[in-house]
Amino acid sequence: EVQLVESGGGLVQPGGSLRLSCAASGFMFSNFSMNWVRQAPGKGLEWVSYISASGSAVYYADSVRGRFTISRDNAKNSLYLQMNSLRAEETAVYYCARGTSYWGQGTLVTVSS
Amino acid sequence: DIVMTQTPLSLSVTPGQPASISCKSSQSLLHTDGKTYLCWFLQKPGQPPQLLIHEVSNRFSGVSDRFSGSGSGTDFTLKISRVEAEDVGVYYCMQNIQVPRTFGQGTQVEIK
Repeated sequence: EVQLVESGGGLVQPGGSLRLSCAASGFMFSNFSMNWVRQAPGKGLEWVSYISASGSAVYYADSVRGRFTISRDNAKNSLYLQMNSLRAEETAVYYCARGTSYWGQGTLVTVSS
Repeated sequence: DIVMTQTPLSLSVTPGQPASISCKSSQSLLHTDGKTYLCWFLQKPGQPPQLLIHEVSNRFSGVSDRFSGSGSGTDFTLKISRVEAEDVGVYYCMQNIQVPRTFGQGTQVEIK
């Protein structure tokens, strides 16, 4: 069974940093591209970042480029999102997703003073 | 960026009746590989999105055949043949032909 479990969310002050993790199981993690998608409270879905299966290709939404870094460790079946210079409007549930097919339950990031 | 526009934004349906959601993209989603990269998700209350349809009309594993997708180029439709109570939630279309991936605004479906 495919499982994706996000962690690392929490309360952070504006300007602060947070590192999200996504632990994958039930499939050959190194064979699949991964995405981070976020959803602000009561709002729609917003794609954040993509990483290819090998990690050689990464892409970002304009709103996070230069502040967020996506990475993966295929030996540990893990996906990461390093988030720096966080803004209040980035308060959201952050989901990791295997391509479009499977999604984790999400981790809540709250940016507030 | 490709803009995805869904209509309607909300839908109230009697159980057993059909429902239809439209999604239009600002650019063609037809790739040079011949595939069209449009998918549909359902987000039930309190849950993450779940994939229903990929590449316009391919139902994902385990998805009921009451759901069907159609369309081409820039115009797409999700149809539910007979709405059931478990179909309540927000439906999103998304293009995955290019980055940034973009979603429609979402269509809230409720049961009458």
